Amino acid sequence: QGQLVQSGGEVKRPGASVKISCTTSGYTFISFGIVWVRQAPGQGLEWMGWISAYSGDTKYAQKVQDRVTLSKDTSTSTVYMELRSLTSNDTAIYYCAREWSFALDIWGQGTVVTVSS
Amino acid sequence: EVVMTQSPATLSVSPGERATLSCGASQSVSRNLAWYQQKPGQTPRLLIYATSSRATGTPDRFSGSGSGRDFTLTISSLQSEDVAVYYCLQYENWRTWAFGQGTRVEIK
Repeated sequence: QGQLVQSGGEVKRPGASVKISCTTSGYTFISFGIVWVRQAPGQGLEWMGWISAYSGDTKYAQKVQDRVTLSKDTSTSTVYMELRSLTSNDTAIYYCAREWSFALDIWGQGTVVTVSS
Repeated sequence: EVVMTQSPATLSVSPGERATLSCGASQSVSRNLAWYQQKPGQTPRLLIYATSSRATGTPDRFSGSGSGRDFTLTISSLQSEDVAVYYCLQYENWRTWAFGQGTRVEIK
């Protein structure tokens, strides 16, 4: 069926960077892309970016494209999301999700990132 | 860039009644439209993909329809466990997506 397990919560200072991992299991890693979504407190879902687990190709949302990098490690079936120059507006739950039939069918448990001075 | 707009923001429905949620696109889009249910403190759950196909485990009281710029999620007979926020998600083009802002469904 598949499972995505994310790294634990982070507290960061403004201006810092955060790198979150998303380790997949239960399916063939390179067969599906991974999408990152975030949700600010009390707010809706926001698409951030996509990475091909096969080729490493990426696509980013315009809002964050200058500050975000997605990467992968095929040997550990893990995808990473790094977000730089953090501000309080980046405080959110960050989710990874598997792309399937142009939808997102399996989600990680979410990683809480808090940006505070 | 496509903008997805959901309406209403909040929907109050009596148990057993029909709930109709709308998702509109700023331009004509493909049928790669999905619906998600998110309960408080939980991760989003895929309900419908490709406009009208139910995901595994989705009860048949949930149905999706639409084309062009207008899409609908219908809950035919609202149950108490359906209280949640519902999001639409549109696949725009080469590996970009857009979420609607969500509709909160509550019991009247």
